[in-house]
This record gives sequence, C-alpha cells and structure tokens, in this order.
Amino acid sequence: DAKTTQPPSMDCAEGRAANLPCNHSTISGNEYVYWYRQIHSQGPQYIIHGLKNNETNEMASLIITEDRKSSTLILPHATLRDTAVYYCIVRVWGNNNNDMRFGAGTRLTVKP
Amino acid sequence: DAGVIQSPRHEVTEMGQEVTLRCKPISGHNSLFWYRQTMMRGLELLIYFNNNVPIDDSGMPEDRFSAKMPNASFSTLKIQPSEPRDSAVYFCASTLDGGNEQFFGPGTRLTVL
Repeated sequence: DAKTTQPPSMDCAEGRAANLPCNHSTISGNEYVYWYRQIHSQGPQYIIHGLKNNETNEMASLIITEDRKSSTLILPHATLRDTAVYYCIVRVWGNNNNDMRFGAGTRLTVKP
Repeated sequence: DAGVIQSPRHEVTEMGQEVTLRCKPISGHNSLFWYRQTMMRGLELLIYFNNNVPIDDSGMPEDRFSAKMPNASFSTLKIQPSEPRDSAVYFCASTLDGGNEQFFGPGTRLTVL
C-alpha cells in the first residue's frame, strides 16, 4: 500500500469547515483513498473513501485531485465532537489481505 | 447490532503472567483483525483472520503472542508470558470480505507492571 503524508496537527474553529490534506504521490491506479478518525479513548471509525471522483456522505466530503496524488477531507461544519486524530490511508478495495496501514495521522482540534 | 465487543476493557497484570484478550466480531462478518496501539509505534496490525483461518500473522511481535479464532463469533489474543513493553491498547476489528470499512471495538487497555 502507498505511503501517505499528513500534517501532524491542525486547529479549526467550531462551525467552520475543517480541511484536512493528505499527500499520496505514489498511489497506484487500483488503490482507493480511505479516511478514518479516532476520537480519544475510542477505536478508529470509518469516515469515507474514494477512487478518483469526489465523494460526499453524511459525515464528510472527499476531494481527490485529478492526478490522484493528493486529497482533502472536508468536515463542512466542524463541532467540538470532531476533535480527533484523522488518518488517511490508501489501499486496494476489497483486497483479500484487507489490511490497512495507519500512519501518524492529523490531530484536529476544534476550538470554541 | 452491538458492534464489536471486547473484554476486558482494562487489564492490569504483573510481568510474567498470562493475559487473554477477547473479541466478539459483528455477526455476519467473516474477517477479523487484531491491532495494537502505542504512543511510540501508533496503530499496528498484529494478525488477520478470514473465515476463522489466520491469513497474515506477520505483525505478531514474537512467540509470546498467539491468537485463535475457534468460531465465527469469538477470537482471543493471548500473551504468555507478558512483559512491561506489551503495555498498549489492543483493538479488535471486523468486516465483511471486500467491505469498505472495518468496524473497531472499544479496545482493551493492557498494563503490565
């Protein structure tokens, strides 16, 4: 699986959009971009995934650049409960190994 | 659904003792994963089961660690003998083959004195 690079930490004001970047310049054509988050003292939680098109669900939006070398997770209206470590992972969808490599992630702090 | 269930939630033991961590995956899921999380090393995959069979145990740190999945609804991770450096949070996760998301349990915080 390709390596990803994320900033170690970010702050965001409550109610504003949080934009979390991720670089994955060595991503392969069959690898998807996945985002998970881990709230303090809990297990990681799936947020969203995408291949090349932008994706949106009830939690977030995922914007993937045309060359697929980077992506941005957007939380449109961040709340205090969105404070967590956010992990960007690239992996082959449905890979039988089905394993993911969690890096250090980005620690997002949402401030009142 | 109750989600992935892990027990105990907290375990404190002394060096040299045997430790057994337990996991019940989500009903219907056929893939199960054990992870370990520490400040130094982050979240690491230890072992992965598919249809109760261990597929990849390359992340198991050494022979003191063993994992079993006797049936589709139960798995154990055993450490014998335990050492202080085994102190970590151990997560279990499950998914359906090819599923997009892994569902994680609440974790077991292990402290070895």
